[in-house]
Amino acid sequence: AQSVTQLDSHVSVSEGTPVLLRCNYSSSYSPSLFWYVQHPNKGLQLLLKYTSAATLVKGINGFEAEFKKSETSFHLTKPSAHMSDAAEYFCVVTAAGGTSYGKLTFGQGTILTVHP
Amino acid sequence: KAGVTQTPRYLIKTRGQQVTLSCSPISGHRSVSWYQQTPGQGLQFLFEYFSETQRNKGNFPGRFSGRQFSNSRSEMNVSTLELGDSALYLCASREGPGANVLTFGAGSRLTVL
Repeated sequence: AQSVTQLDSHVSVSEGTPVLLRCNYSSSYSPSLFWYVQHPNKGLQLLLKYTSAATLVKGINGFEAEFKKSETSFHLTKPSAHMSDAAEYFCVVTAAGGTSYGKLTFGQGTILTVHP
Repeated sequence: KAGVTQTPRYLIKTRGQQVTLSCSPISGHRSVSWYQQTPGQGLQFLFEYFSETQRNKGNFPGRFSGRQFSNSRSEMNVSTLELGDSALYLCASREGPGANVLTFGAGSRLTVL
């Protein structure tokens, strides 16, 4: 079984300040983890992915995430927020084995608001 | 390389009607999955097709069905529409069930009146 919990439904930051979006996961097998972003009335776009290589993963638009197995976390960060980062972000887990093979589980999403 | 194409992008139906949504995956991608997105329930998995066979299914009533054609294009159908079916329906494709990365289409926004 696998699950994803995004710890904040809404995060609000000022432009130029750091962004932290938190994600905890549960998986019976070695997980692959992803962050997707969705701008209003658009589909989801892949930001970054972790697939058992380096634990610090760099993505597009200056975002990065660190896989911490001991904490079962995969938090998304960005040093300096931009107005265009305002969107909804989804943490996703998929397992490499077991009955959940190939199944992706989405978190509930975190809405990021960026103030000028 | 063309992305995932969903049609129609917007549609309005009335209760009791049925609707068919179409999804063309990225060329070479053989797996297509469907998701329903609503403000209250978030993103919910509907089903996934690979090689014209349903491989996974979410927890939705039988009114929701789908199919995949030999060219990997997929359709989903919702019969006897209810107000609660109003949602953004997202299609995503990947090379196969073992491929991790999904590529999403822009979605079909269904409004049921």
